[in-house]
Amino acid sequence: DSGVTQTPKHLITATGQRVTLRCSPRSGDLSVYWYQQSLDQGLQFLIQYYNGEERAKGNILERFSAQQFPDLHSELNLSSLELGDSALYFCASSADRGLLETQYFGPGTRLLVL
Amino acid sequence: GDSVTQMEGPVTLSEEAFLTINCTYTATGYPSLFWYVQYPGEGLQLLLKATKADDKGSNKGFEATYRKETTSFHLEKGSVQVSDSAVYFCAFVSGGSNYKLTFGKGTLLTVNP
Repeated sequence: DSGVTQTPKHLITATGQRVTLRCSPRSGDLSVYWYQQSLDQGLQFLIQYYNGEERAKGNILERFSAQQFPDLHSELNLSSLELGDSALYFCASSADRGLLETQYFGPGTRLLVL
Repeated sequence: GDSVTQMEGPVTLSEEAFLTINCTYTATGYPSLFWYVQYPGEGLQLLLKATKADDKGSNKGFEATYRKETTSFHLEKGSVQVSDSAVYFCAFVSGGSNYKLTFGKGTLLTVNP
């Protein structure tokens, strides 16, 4: 158990809908990262937050957004969903930012868009 | 740009066989290197890491050495077990203001008894 929790574990929805994925980092960790894992794209970085502020963006679509709250949990919002958004979404956390920090991953949320 | 090239699988071995999964990287600056493992139906777990040249990361019988001259971080295990069956990902964090992990495509390992 990494100490990172994600809810829900599974999500099935329809095209055009909006969903929210939730992540609670390990106790004391300030950085949260979101990744998407799909068969065709592999594991791709989406976005990073550090202590409530957005720090870096990766291959995140404009239809997607995220935030980190004062209690450091984070939410990833996916809107106008398309079939191609079906994937496993991982959250990771680390104590701080930097080359020496290890990112610990949650169990993921499996999203299926029908 | 930044990338990881990882040995394509699937790799199928018999129990107690020797394992090597090759990994090379192209990174900006001086990265930290990682191997993550994903067991069936689970999330990613850190297997081992190395943060500077010639460092050897090790865990659960797995080893990988940070080779700066060849930009490689090959994963090895002397004697695999059925329980090692999983997908293995090579990854790095490079410098700058973005500390994201860049992953390889993953290598599926199946160990047969």
